Amino acid sequence: KAGVTQTPRYLIKTRGQQVTLSCSPISGHRSVSWYQQTPGQGLQFLFEYFSETQRNKGNFPGRFSGRQFSNSRSEMNVSTLELGDSALYLCASTSELAGFVGEQFFGPGTRLTVL
Amino acid sequence: AQSVAQPEDQVNVAEGNPLTVKCTYSVSGNPYLFWYVQYPNRGLQFLLKYITGDNLVKGSYGFEAEFNKSQTSFHLKKPSALVSDSALYFCAVSGSRGGSYIPTFGRGTSLIVHP
Repeated sequence: KAGVTQTPRYLIKTRGQQVTLSCSPISGHRSVSWYQQTPGQGLQFLFEYFSETQRNKGNFPGRFSGRQFSNSRSEMNVSTLELGDSALYLCASTSELAGFVGEQFFGPGTRLTVL
Repeated sequence: AQSVAQPEDQVNVAEGNPLTVKCTYSVSGNPYLFWYVQYPNRGLQFLLKYITGDNLVKGSYGFEAEFNKSQTSFHLKKPSALVSDSALYFCAVSGSRGGSYIPTFGRGTSLIVHP
């Protein structure tokens, strides 16, 4: 099976702009989670989608949003970018067939730099 | 609330020596514990997990971890370190939140194996 893919791999934006990141999970995985990784804060949970519904949400401002499509592909959007949004954004998918204790499969991430 | 502590930002070990990367956790109910590894410019890769059963869990690349309920620890170990093991290691604990088990990650420990 193909792994989790994320596009684009690298992005450079300026403050105030918005950005959309894309994630395609492993075929058959319906749960997709997003994380922000920075050197200072480590891995921070953004949100999780399952069957096109946001099931869990982390403590991020409303500028961060996401959605999931019927084929389980997911996008996240960040509006009005700030310098502090510079980070590696990771997407992970999980097989519900593994029950609630399945491991997550991560994509390579999108490196966002805000200037 | 659930939390994970990785008390060491960095662990240094000589090639061929045993290695230990420490992790302690806090969670209500039964813990589901995971170790992931991240190589530069890559996403996280699953190493092993503890769900139930034997306290010693064996995983990928010769790694193992020991679950200790009384000490709420889940330390990652390997009998003989390789230079190629140098990477960032994350411990994670899962607990029920909104119907799915979203893991909380530690801040990561950088493992450096010296030739």
